[in-house]
Amino acid sequence: RKEVEQDPGPFNVPEGATVAFNCTYSNSASQSFFWYRQDCRKEPKLLMSVYSSGNEDGRFTAQLNRASQYISLLIRDSKLSDSATYLCVVNFNPNFGNEKLTFGTGTRLTIIP
Amino acid sequence: DVKVTQSSRYLVKRTGEKVFLECVQDMDHENMFWYRQDPGLGLRLIYFSYDVKMKEKGDIPEGYSVSREKKERFSLILESASTNQTSMYLCASSQLSRTGANVLTFGAGSRLTVL
Repeated sequence: RKEVEQDPGPFNVPEGATVAFNCTYSNSASQSFFWYRQDCRKEPKLLMSVYSSGNEDGRFTAQLNRASQYISLLIRDSKLSDSATYLCVVNFNPNFGNEKLTFGTGTRLTIIP
Repeated sequence: DVKVTQSSRYLVKRTGEKVFLECVQDMDHENMFWYRQDPGLGLRLIYFSYDVKMKEKGDIPEGYSVSREKKERFSLILESASTNQTSMYLCASSQLSRTGANVLTFGAGSRLTVL
């Protein structure tokens, strides 16, 4: 089983729709979680951190479910500019200086006019 | 904004050549990383560094070495390039989030083709 697993998509969604995707992780001791966004032929950029209580940033909502070991990203009122690949990142840090950041392979999202 | 600059966007090298990929960050970050990104495999960590002259192996260090002589500069070296090292190479520098995890800022990437 992969350490961090995402549905690669592609998700083709009409503009204005709501879309959600999940990411599962295998290490129950994982401590921190993030969503990064990567545009075509560009570098990944931090979209948002994922906190235990869930968090929202404008049209984006991130949730963490520790019991089932997954995180989710919800995008409301999707825009054409949301088209990108969304990378799930999980952090495991058993002790200082031994941090392990693991990236998922990404979920590709295309918003259709 | 943190800026991470990679010296070369595109390189084409021949098998057996020595390759240097340079990365510079301008925000005085302690931590720097080198990843490679391949279709279907995602980002994989090659090496990282938490301080000057300090380096740690990542998940796939074989065939690579690194150098961190100055805080702002982290270089990736392919001693003898091979075709399976054709990839997108991404440098990153980081600051800690409120949960204590590294939040990465990436450079634009260096696409290396080894013939």
